[in-house]
Amino acid sequence: DIQMTQSPSSLSASVGDRVTITCRASQSISNYLNWYQQKPGKAPKLLIYAASSLQSGVPSRFSGSGSGTDFTLTISSLQPEDFATYYCQQSYNTPPITFGQGTRLEIK
Amino acid sequence: QVQLVQSGAEVKKPGASVKVSCKASGYTFTSYYMHWVRQAPGQGLEWMGIINPSGGYTTSAQKFQGRVTMTRDTSTSTVYMELSSLRSEDTAVYYCARDLSQQLTHWGQGTLVTVSS
Repeated sequence: DIQMTQSPSSLSASVGDRVTITCRASQSISNYLNWYQQKPGKAPKLLIYAASSLQSGVPSRFSGSGSGTDFTLTISSLQPEDFATYYCQQSYNTPPITFGQGTRLEIK
Repeated sequence: QVQLVQSGAEVKKPGASVKVSCKASGYTFTSYYMHWVRQAPGQGLEWMGIINPSGGYTTSAQKFQGRVTMTRDTSTSTVYMELSSLRSEDTAVYYCARDLSQQLTHWGQGTLVTVSS
């Protein structure tokens, strides 16, 4: 199975900050990488698919990049509603689908 | 619009089974695979398996093989996930999520299953 590792596990930032979250795959997954946002008590929401494509309705301050084994999710200017937990997920070699352990983004 | 509505919370004793339902609407039910993902309290997302609502074909994570059964009812556009031999570690929120090329684009609201004696 492909292992996904996110860093950092948690992050404190302020409104307006630029934030980057990293996801690393245990082997090359081309661009088969998706990002999700989850708020407390809610289901995850797809933000980015195929490493860099923005899901419909997602604000343009979110962006994704990378290929192979290293990927990043960037929020260009944090908004209050962006404080949540973010997960990466590989869709290259399935089943199984595998997720990163999550990155909790907190208000500083 | 696409909606996935799951059944309500359950409390089960160790050793029992639980069956969670996920009713789909707003799209052609048989055209999209459905995943099951769970999340233990304070933990990350764990993929359990996938079902093809058209033919009923399923694949589950190795960890759950032998304990999980995924089925569907095309007449009601509902998929089901049954987990047997429950233990305390199975306490979690269980989600169904619609597939598009292994992207999970739409999610149910989640069903809390509590396993406690």
